[in-house]
Amino acid sequence: DAKTTQPTSMDCAEGRAANLPCNHSTISGNEYVYWYRQIHSQGPQYIIHGLKNNETNEMASLIITEDRKSSTLILPHATLRDTAVYYCIVRVPRSASKIIFGSGTRLSIRP
Amino acid sequence: EADIYQTPRYLVIGTGKKITLECSQTMGHDKMYWYQQDPGMELHLIHYSYGVNSTEKGDLSSESTVSRIRTEHFPLTLESARPSHTSQYLCASSDRSGPTSYEQYFGPGTRLTVT
Repeated sequence: DAKTTQPTSMDCAEGRAANLPCNHSTISGNEYVYWYRQIHSQGPQYIIHGLKNNETNEMASLIITEDRKSSTLILPHATLRDTAVYYCIVRVPRSASKIIFGSGTRLSIRP
Repeated sequence: EADIYQTPRYLVIGTGKKITLECSQTMGHDKMYWYQQDPGMELHLIHYSYGVNSTEKGDLSSESTVSRIRTEHFPLTLESARPSHTSQYLCASSDRSGPTSYEQYFGPGTRLTVT
């Protein structure tokens, strides 16, 4: 599985959009980009995934660059409950489904 | 909604004791995983299973062992607990196919303290 690089920490004002970047320059053609988050002391929670097209669901949007070497997770209207560690992972679904978690980005939301 | 359970949620135990952390899922998922996480640190995969009677070591070396005799059950055992085993242990499962095949569902975790 390709390695990812994320900033160690970020902060964002409540109500504003939180944009979390992730670099995955060695991603291969059949690897998807996944985002998970982990709120303190809880198990990780799936957020969104994508291959090359931008994706949106009720939680977030995922923007993947055309060369697929980086992506951005967007929380459109951050709330205090979005304070968590956010993990960007790249992997091939089904064929190699174990996930390698890096250190993630610790997102703090300011009131 | 994902149904994956871990017991106990919290365990404080003395050095040298044998312990088993339970993980069960009711979704019929064939793949199951154990992760270890120290406070404020990243998740590390320590064991995984792709089906009954299949177990593999993960990326972080661990003195624990696992078994997969039934699809729904993936217990983790420490034969002789030590203070260095103090950590949070997270169990997860995922499906091979269908609309949920991209997602890993995580249990609430077991916070283990060895004194």
